[in-house]
Amino acid sequence: KAGVTQTPRYLIKTRGQQVTLSCSPISGHRSVSWYQQTPGQGLQFLFEYFSETQRNKGNFPGRFSGRQFSNSRSEMNVSTLELGDSALYLCASSEGLAGRGETQYFGPGTRLLVL
Amino acid sequence: AQTVTQSQPEMSVQEAETVTLSCTYDTSESDYYLFWYKQPPSRQMILVIRQEAYKQQNATENRFSVNFQKAAKSFSLKISDSQLGDAAMYFCAYRSWNTGNQFYFGTGTSLTVIP
Repeated sequence: KAGVTQTPRYLIKTRGQQVTLSCSPISGHRSVSWYQQTPGQGLQFLFEYFSETQRNKGNFPGRFSGRQFSNSRSEMNVSTLELGDSALYLCASSEGLAGRGETQYFGPGTRLLVL
Repeated sequence: AQTVTQSQPEMSVQEAETVTLSCTYDTSESDYYLFWYKQPPSRQMILVIRQEAYKQQNATENRFSVNFQKAAKSFSLKISDSQLGDAAMYFCAYRSWNTGNQFYFGTGTSLTVIP
């Protein structure tokens, strides 16, 4: 099976703009989780989607949102970008809800740079 | 809030030797999951090993094993017969279904394998 794919791999935006990142899970996986990775804050959980519904959410402002489509593909949107949003955004998929201990498979990430 | 602490920012090991990475966590939950993830320089996160808190037996995956001490809230990873391909950043992670189902990561330990 193909692994988790994320597009684009690299992105440069300016403050105030918005951005949409995409994640295609492994075929058959119904859960998609998003994470932000920065040198200062480390890895932080953003949210998890399962069957098109957001099931869990981390401590991020409302500028960070997401959605999941019927084919399990997921998008993450960040509005009104700030310099601090520069990070590696990782997507992970699992067959069931990751919170139940399901093994997550990570994508290569999208590197976002906000200028 | 749950916290995960990795007190060793960097570790090194000679090829073929054994190394132990430490991880402690803080929780009031009794039912949770613990994970070790590996992030090689290519940046794709890979699950190394997982442990269910209700299981007494320490998890083992080939050369990787854990020492899970529930009362001490300690979850160390032992890598035996270290190989050059083991060089990576290792993250300890905690997840509990009962506490908002968030994923909490430690700050990581950078492992260098010396030929």
